[in-house]
Amino acid sequence: DARVTQTPRHKVTEMGQEVTMRCQPILGHNTVFWYRQTMMQGLELLAYFRNRAPLDDSGMPKDRFSAEMPDATLATLKIQPSEPRDSAVYFCASGLGPGINQPQHFGDGTRLSIL
Amino acid sequence: LAKTTQPISMDSYEGQEVNITCSHNNIATNDYITWYQQFPSQGPRFIIQGYKTKVTNEVASLFIPADRKSSTLSLPRVSLSDTAVYYCLVGAYNAGNMLTFGGGTRLMVKP
Repeated sequence: DARVTQTPRHKVTEMGQEVTMRCQPILGHNTVFWYRQTMMQGLELLAYFRNRAPLDDSGMPKDRFSAEMPDATLATLKIQPSEPRDSAVYFCASGLGPGINQPQHFGDGTRLSIL
Repeated sequence: LAKTTQPISMDSYEGQEVNITCSHNNIATNDYITWYQQFPSQGPRFIIQGYKTKVTNEVASLFIPADRKSSTLSLPRVSLSDTAVYYCLVGAYNAGNMLTFGGGTRLMVKP
């Protein structure tokens, strides 16, 4: 059963440090999504890509967050500098279709704690 | 964008059928209805998607009335392992970051 793989699964670091989260989408999936989940805000869409090009990153704080797809098998989400309010679970999802409402296949997330 | 309303929580017992209803009064013509399931420490998992009438797969059924202002996810004969949070999403392919998961329904299945 094909799965989306996210690394690391857990990350604890101090405020001000750079954080990089990685995602390997399901082979052949052309659309990649990044979400953030917190108790207070629930699941928020940060950005999504189609064929490695960003389609919508309006949900992402631009001053410290950046998302890229260096190639079709790797998506990255970086935070620099990190802040305690960035503590959350970050999910990556991938899909075959072009739209945001397509069935999305999620990874198990990166649990990030900023001290 | 269609706002969705779901019950915050529901309880059921093993072997029962569970129906979770989602209200989306201002659903648009191009919007589809999608349901996800999320277990603790895991990402959401796609369950089912539909546009109108009824859709059934090996896991669940989705009932959508003619006016499409609500939808009902039906889980037949639930087991303890169906305890999870269930999210209803409504949106079109180009909804962008307006497609939000909302609070979901926390289903507790008891023995």
